[in-house]
Amino acid sequence: QSVLTQPPSASGTPGQRVTISCSGSSSNIGSNTVNWYQQLPGTAPKLLIYKNNQRPSGVPDRFSGSKSGTSASLAISGLQSEDEADYYCAAWDDNLNVFGTGTKVTVL
Amino acid sequence: EVQLLESGGGFVQPGGSLRLSCAASGFTFSTYAMSWVRQAPGKGLEWISSISDNGGSTYSADSVKGRFTISRDNSKNTLYLQMNSLRAEDTAVYYCAKPMSSSWYRFDYWGQGTLVTVSS
Repeated sequence: QSVLTQPPSASGTPGQRVTISCSGSSSNIGSNTVNWYQQLPGTAPKLLIYKNNQRPSGVPDRFSGSKSGTSASLAISGLQSEDEADYYCAAWDDNLNVFGTGTKVTVL
Repeated sequence: EVQLLESGGGFVQPGGSLRLSCAASGFTFSTYAMSWVRQAPGKGLEWISSISDNGGSTYSADSVKGRFTISRDNSKNTLYLQMNSLRAEDTAVYYCAKPMSSSWYRFDYWGQGTLVTVSS
């Protein structure tokens, strides 16, 4: 079972800013970096943010990440319809990888 | 171009076995740790197992420890997952994932997934 807790859902209208939280503990987020993945319906996950706030090439700068203590956040600014997807945080925890519970983002 | 192609999924009865394969291309397979991640229908992602570049170190989630074995053949650029004593709760899409260089768990490439269904 996941040890990283995310809200099950988030929503916004086009152009709005949406923030997703990821809560962990001292053994995972508190002592390791956080990665974020986007999973569009029916597709494999895609790396969106790594090392807390780094974007792989090709990821729009509308996506940003941050970390503080044992929590992390993903922000989507200027929300677009194609951002409707599931989002997962992930972190290392004692030689194991743990994923968050996932957040479904809906564009209203 | 990096490609990961899983195969071996299918329908199996509880208690049965399956072996998944992941054929890798487009990168130097032998220099990367590799992992398996699964996703039950309508559920979230679950990391299940990882293996070092030379196969000398492996890590597994408690949910599969003692039942699943990860391995690799660097001469064939292929990752494997031997799944024994399968249970209904193992029903999921299984993805193989490649990490960014110098990391184990920043997965920058994923396969398309292979579906495993465990049912009587």
